Amino acid sequence: KAGVTQTPRYLIKTRGQQVTLSCSPISGHRSVSWYQQTPGQGLQFLFEYFSETQRNKGNFPGRFSGRQFSNSRSEMNVSTLELGDSALYLCASSLAPGQGDSGANVLTFGAGSRLTVL
Amino acid sequence: KQEVTQIPAALSVPEGENLVLNCSFTDSAIYNLQWFRQDPGKGLTSLLLIQSSQREQTSGRLNASLDKSSGRSTLYIAASQPGDSATYLCAVRWMAGANSKLTFGKGITLSVRP
Repeated sequence: KAGVTQTPRYLIKTRGQQVTLSCSPISGHRSVSWYQQTPGQGLQFLFEYFSETQRNKGNFPGRFSGRQFSNSRSEMNVSTLELGDSALYLCASSLAPGQGDSGANVLTFGAGSRLTVL
Repeated sequence: KQEVTQIPAALSVPEGENLVLNCSFTDSAIYNLQWFRQDPGKGLTSLLLIQSSQREQTSGRLNASLDKSSGRSTLYIAASQPGDSATYLCAVRWMAGANSKLTFGKGITLSVRP
């Protein structure tokens, strides 16, 4: 079956612009979470969605936002881009969110969207 | 503060060696712990998930153990191969009611020399 699909894979933006990243989860998965990965900070949790509702949010400024659609696809948006937003943005899907059955918790990650801010 | 630590940051071993990767975490009230593998420029692949009530999980040449009381997990790789070269990350989900986030260590970059 198809894996988690993230688009675009690579993009370059300039400071002050905004960007929207898309994530299509595995068919049947209803939980989607987003992570930012940088060499200095490692992997940091951004947000988690389940059934179109944000269940949890990490410690990022309000410039970072997201949403989930009825088909479980998710988007994240970053406004007023800063140089420090350059990172690999990873999306992961699972059958159920955080504290569910162990099998339902297993995350499947997409290949990521690599954002470069100039 | 709930933190996950992986030391050392990098490790190089000759092919065929059995090795152990360590992960330590603050706060023993965890819900589960997962080990992932990441190849350069790619996403993460889930290797093993250990629930709080479990002591270990095995998959092929991989064995992960969990000791909540000491705040440690280890990933054992038997008979390492060059194809095992990657970054290995552990991630902890703590008990936090209905909502809890996954906290990652910074990973251990493993190089297996032929």
